[in-house]
Amino acid sequence: DAGVIQSPRHEVTEMGQEVTLRCKPISGHDYLFWYRQTMMRGLELLIYFNNNVPIDDSGMPEDRFSAKMPNASFSTLKIQPSEPRDSAVYFCASSPGLAVEQFFGPGTRLTVL
Amino acid sequence: KNEVEQSPQNLTAQEGEFITINCSYSVGISALHWLQQHPGGGIVSLFMLSSGKKKHGRLIATINIQEKHSSLHITASHPRDSAVYICAVRSGNQFYFGTGTSLTVIP
Repeated sequence: DAGVIQSPRHEVTEMGQEVTLRCKPISGHDYLFWYRQTMMRGLELLIYFNNNVPIDDSGMPEDRFSAKMPNASFSTLKIQPSEPRDSAVYFCASSPGLAVEQFFGPGTRLTVL
Repeated sequence: KNEVEQSPQNLTAQEGEFITINCSYSVGISALHWLQQHPGGGIVSLFMLSSGKKKHGRLIATINIQEKHSSLHITASHPRDSAVYICAVRSGNQFYFGTGTSLTVIP
């Protein structure tokens, strides 16, 4: 398996633009997690899904952020409109269960100008 | 107040030294994770613990549920162990993260 795949790896956009980050989890993994990492706040869990259903989205910072998982092999994290404070590295991870290790994607480095 | 506290924040060691990184938490947990983030940014899950001890190569992780404390030990440290080590706990549906320990191992 290729591991967790994220795209794009880097994204530079201007304030106010819509940004869509994509993630393909490892096949057979029932859990998918979206994280954000910044120097100021460290690693934060934004939302996670189990069998395509959002379980906890309490980490989503505000209504500008939304995440979907239309099927078991694809998820998106959307920011609309983007703001400079959204600049961060966004990681996607998947796991076969909650009681086991998670496998992380390489991350998407987002810069909002 | 942070639900997860790590110590030390920064650690420099000579190659070959035994290293301990500590994690204390204040919530009831279902599991505790140790993550490793290399300078390139990639994150690897090292261990998931709910009790006792786990060992993988030169890495050992222990947890004391009663004391709400976990340690990550690295034996015979090597420069390639230089990374940020992050402790994370799961409490119900919530996840809480430490701010990380930055480890530098000098040859």
